[in-house]
Amino acid sequence: QVQLKESGPGLVQPSQTLSLTCTVSGFSLTSYNVHWVRQPPGKGLEWMGRMRYNGDTSYNSALKSRLSISRDTSKNQVFLKMNSLQTDDTGTYYCTRLGARDYWGQGVMVTVSS
Amino acid sequence: DVVMTQTPPSLSVAIGQSVSISCKSSQSLVASDKNTYLNWLLQSPGRSPKRLIYQVSKLDSGVPDRFSGSGSEKDFTLKISRVEAEDLGVYYCLQGTHLPWTFGGGTKLELK
Repeated sequence: QVQLKESGPGLVQPSQTLSLTCTVSGFSLTSYNVHWVRQPPGKGLEWMGRMRYNGDTSYNSALKSRLSISRDTSKNQVFLKMNSLQTDDTGTYYCTRLGARDYWGQGVMVTVSS
Repeated sequence: DVVMTQTPPSLSVAIGQSVSISCKSSQSLVASDKNTYLNWLLQSPGRSPKRLIYQVSKLDSGVPDRFSGSGSEKDFTLKISRVEAEDLGVYYCLQGTHLPWTFGGGTKLELK
């Protein structure tokens, strides 16, 4: 059974770094790509980046300078790190596998506030 | 980056009515492998998004055939025939041909 689950702090201070973990089960990270997508409250979806099955990464152009995606295949985890957080980074962050069939995590709400 | 322009931003419909949503891209979405990686997703209220259609017109498993996708190059349409209450929410197009991937702004489908 394929599952993805996001975890991380619900509250981050402005200018600090966000660290999120996507823990997957039911498939191997060396066989499928995992994406990160976020959504500010009441707004649309934004593609943040992707970890490919072979370890390659791609990023949203607007976030590229402060975003990093990595993984630990032995732990079935994909990591998102984004620095210099501002209030407009507040939102729900999802990890998703968009392959032959799509699977999404439940999302994790992150609030950037002092 | 490819800009995905979705219209209309909102639609008010009656149950049983048919509706169409447009998605236009700033560049052709035909990939080097000749496939077109245009997806349609639905986000129901309070839920994670769910893909309905991939590669323009292929329905995901379990998606009712009331949904259909069409289009080519830069111009795409999602049609819902005989809208049901479970279809309400926000629809997004998503292109996966060019990096970075990009979403359309969304179309909110509401009950009239």
